[in-house]
Amino acid sequence: DVKVTQSSRYLVKRTGEKVFLECVQDMDHENMFWYRQDPGLGLRLIYFSYDVKMKEKGDIPEGYSVSREKKERFSLILESASTNQTSMYLCASSLALLGADTQYFGPGTRLTVL
Amino acid sequence: GQQVMQIPQYQHVQEGEDFTTYCNSSTTLSNIQWYKQRPGGHPVFLIQLVKSGEVKKQKRLTFQFGEAKKNSSLHITATQTTDVGTYFCAGGSNYKLTFGKGTLLTVNP
Repeated sequence: DVKVTQSSRYLVKRTGEKVFLECVQDMDHENMFWYRQDPGLGLRLIYFSYDVKMKEKGDIPEGYSVSREKKERFSLILESASTNQTSMYLCASSLALLGADTQYFGPGTRLTVL
Repeated sequence: GQQVMQIPQYQHVQEGEDFTTYCNSSTTLSNIQWYKQRPGGHPVFLIQLVKSGEVKKQKRLTFQFGEAKKNSSLHITATQTTDVGTYFCAGGSNYKLTFGKGTLLTVNP
């Protein structure tokens, strides 16, 4: 079974803080994704990575950056957290982009920015 | 860019009633996937359809992919309380998977 883990289930930060969200997958998947989920807006893609040290902007990259130094780990960084970044953050991985492969999601991190 | 529209946004049913959610893409898809997210949980893959006109069943769930590969539906027969959650479709095209906004299903016992 594919396992995707995220560093925290719940996180509370203050406005202006730098926030790191970590995601690890154990199935040697090529691709990793970061989404945020808000009521009524569904899943919105922030960034994705199809290889180590490679990254691509998704639909809403503003205010975020990412890092992928190792194949199994994909980090989402909020350089200066703001209240409008309060959300559920979901990490996912997939074996290959070809054909838009099945994505396996982590349990999510609910981030609150005060 | 590619858009995937899903309706309805919400559906409340009595236990035992049927339920259907529909998904429409602005472009032709290479595949369509369906996911379920239980309350408090994360999206979990249910099924993938790749062929024009394809129909697949999983117990009380029936999934269809349209002839033009631009629309899909998920039908649940005789809903149960265990079916509650948000159902997402996701369209695959040009090496990208685009999620619909989901349909939240609630079931009254």
